[in-house]
Amino acid sequence: GENVEQHPSTLSVQEGDSAVIKCTYSDSASNYFPWYKQELGKRPQLIIDIRSNVGEKKDQRIAVTLNKTAKHFSLHITETQPEDSAVYFCAALGGPFNDYKLSFGAGTTVTVRA
Amino acid sequence: DTGVSQDPRHKITKRGQNVTFRCDPISEHNRLYWYRQTLGQGPEFLTYFQNEAQLEKSRLLSDRFSAERPKGSFSTLEIQRTEQGDSAMYLCASSKGGYNEQFFGPGTRLTVL
Repeated sequence: GENVEQHPSTLSVQEGDSAVIKCTYSDSASNYFPWYKQELGKRPQLIIDIRSNVGEKKDQRIAVTLNKTAKHFSLHITETQPEDSAVYFCAALGGPFNDYKLSFGAGTTVTVRA
Repeated sequence: DTGVSQDPRHKITKRGQNVTFRCDPISEHNRLYWYRQTLGQGPEFLTYFQNEAQLEKSRLLSDRFSAERPKGSFSTLEIQRTEQGDSAMYLCASSKGGYNEQFFGPGTRLTVL
């Protein structure tokens, strides 16, 4: 099955700096890669996603890049703000016969220092 | 609130008791998923439904677990003879087909004493 690894497990950045989280996946058939943000005690919420036919996607201060050959994808948050503090999860969704099961990384706890 | 809802939000039970959780998905979503999340980990897939059919079950879902979605709308997850290792957050999600955003509910936090 799919195995998603996520690094780092914790990340502390100064407000205004950038944060980068990296994930690798094992199943070359995976073709949908969402990123979820989970604040303490709350539900995971999608912040951005990317499909395998796209190499990069940007939404305001958030961007995701995908390298299918190397099987890794990354989340970039620029101009970080205190409200960006949360746990971020990357995930991968499999190919045509596995279009239901999201495999998640272990999460990155991001702390933005004011 | 038109998002995914779950009930109860918290459940404390004694080892050996049965518990049942409910999930109400977003109304037009035909797919419904159950995940389990333990502290410091990402959600782990348990099972999913397309309409009323349960199409996949993880090996994490032992014989003590059963899920239903009788009319293709809400779903229930029952755990029989609970064990302390069942303590976790049980998350429900729904989507409109595959390869689309899975919207998560707030979860049911289960504590087995």
